[in-house]
Amino acid sequence: GQQLNQSPQSMFIQEGEDVSMNCTSSSIFNTWLWYKQDPGEGPVLLIALYKAGELTSNGRLTAQFGITRKDSFLNISASIPSDVGIYFCAGQLQSLGRGGSNYKLTFGKGTLLTVNP
Amino acid sequence: DAGITQSPRHKVTETGTPVTLRCHQTENHRYMYWYRQDPGHGLRLIHYSYGVKDTDKGEVSDGYSVSRSKTEDFLLTLESATSSQTSVYFCAISADARGPYNEQFFGPGTRLTVL
Repeated sequence: GQQLNQSPQSMFIQEGEDVSMNCTSSSIFNTWLWYKQDPGEGPVLLIALYKAGELTSNGRLTAQFGITRKDSFLNISASIPSDVGIYFCAGQLQSLGRGGSNYKLTFGKGTLLTVNP
Repeated sequence: DAGITQSPRHKVTETGTPVTLRCHQTENHRYMYWYRQDPGHGLRLIHYSYGVKDTDKGEVSDGYSVSRSKTEDFLLTLESATSSQTSVYFCAISADARGPYNEQFFGPGTRLTVL
């Protein structure tokens, strides 16, 4: 199956610092999504990207769809304690199935972010 | 927040027993998905549905079956639970298969333990 390499696996930072994480793939994706998961809860969508080169912000979060379509980056500026959690990237490689064009996401294994107050 | 609920939220069962997990949505989205999340493996797709009575397999479908008789409900059944199916199960929904409405929204999860 498709592989997404997400790095770093974990980060331990001080409150106020900026954070960067990324995902790379050997395949070309049509969509990149970034999620955050808090303990005991489901992933929550942060940012969706649909075009190569696209740069999208959501508050202190900024994500980019790589120009090669094989990577994506998420930056968090001025981190705060509530940013703690696991961040996942997910890519869509549109494929044909019994339902016609269908949508399957491939997930990275996550980046665990810890913020020290 | 997307209107997705999962039941039960926690379940402990014994090997060999059947188990059914329910996902209910109030968004009228066409696509529904079941994932399992395990340490070291991340989120893996079990089955998905692209309409009422229309389902297809994901990457880890062995030992699982699904049914969708109504738009709002998607059931995941473990016919005979095994310890390897101990996991956290997430349901997700999306309005469409292609961007820009293909974002998947996740439910709160069901933690299943098979003894």
